[in-house]
Amino acid sequence: GDSVTQMEGPVTLSEEAFLTINCTYTATGYPSLFWYVQYPGEGLQLLLKATKADDKGSNKGFEATYRKETTSFHLEKGSVQVSDSAVYFCALSRSGGYQKVTFGTGTKLQVIP
Amino acid sequence: GAGVSQSPSNKVTEKGKDVELRCDPISGHTALYWYRQSLGQGLEFLIYFQGNSAPDKSGLPSDRFSAERTGGSVSTLTIQRTQQEDSAVYLCASSLGTESNQPQHFGDGTRLSIL
Repeated sequence: GDSVTQMEGPVTLSEEAFLTINCTYTATGYPSLFWYVQYPGEGLQLLLKATKADDKGSNKGFEATYRKETTSFHLEKGSVQVSDSAVYFCALSRSGGYQKVTFGTGTKLQVIP
Repeated sequence: GAGVSQSPSNKVTEKGKDVELRCDPISGHTALYWYRQSLGQGLEFLIYFQGNSAPDKSGLPSDRFSAERTGGSVSTLTIQRTQQEDSAVYLCASSLGTESNQPQHFGDGTRLSIL
């Protein structure tokens, strides 16, 4: 079956540091890939997505590239801010009669001033 | 507002009681999903609705859990005879369609605590 594996957290970085959160997936066919972010006390919000190989999703300074050869979708940001502190979820979606989404377990990011 | 709305935001109840959780999706979104998020865990899929029908109930953990959707809009998740292990955040999401590239839009969740 489908699966998403994320690096375990928590990840603690100083403000302006470079961020990488690794995500690899296992799926049949050609899934779409997403990163969602969850701020404390809130639901998940879509951060970025990529729908085919070599696509790069980007938003709010975050980027991720759909790498089919390595089945990866790593999240990166060049300079994190305290306001980026949240839990980040990698997810894949396949159409199989309906949109079946598989989420990773989430990676908590804490950015300290 | 224009987002997915869930109520209540918090619910504390005694073991053995029944609870109802409500989700109001974004207008026009035909697909609706319920997930459970336990402390420190990822999202556990519970049930999916397309319109008023639920083609996939495979994630419901036991027969104490049920859900319905009326008018292709509001959905209610009911947990009967609650147990302590039901304590979690219950998230609802909706999407415009079922294509794989359509993102899901989430509500803020209902935090359920069973005493």
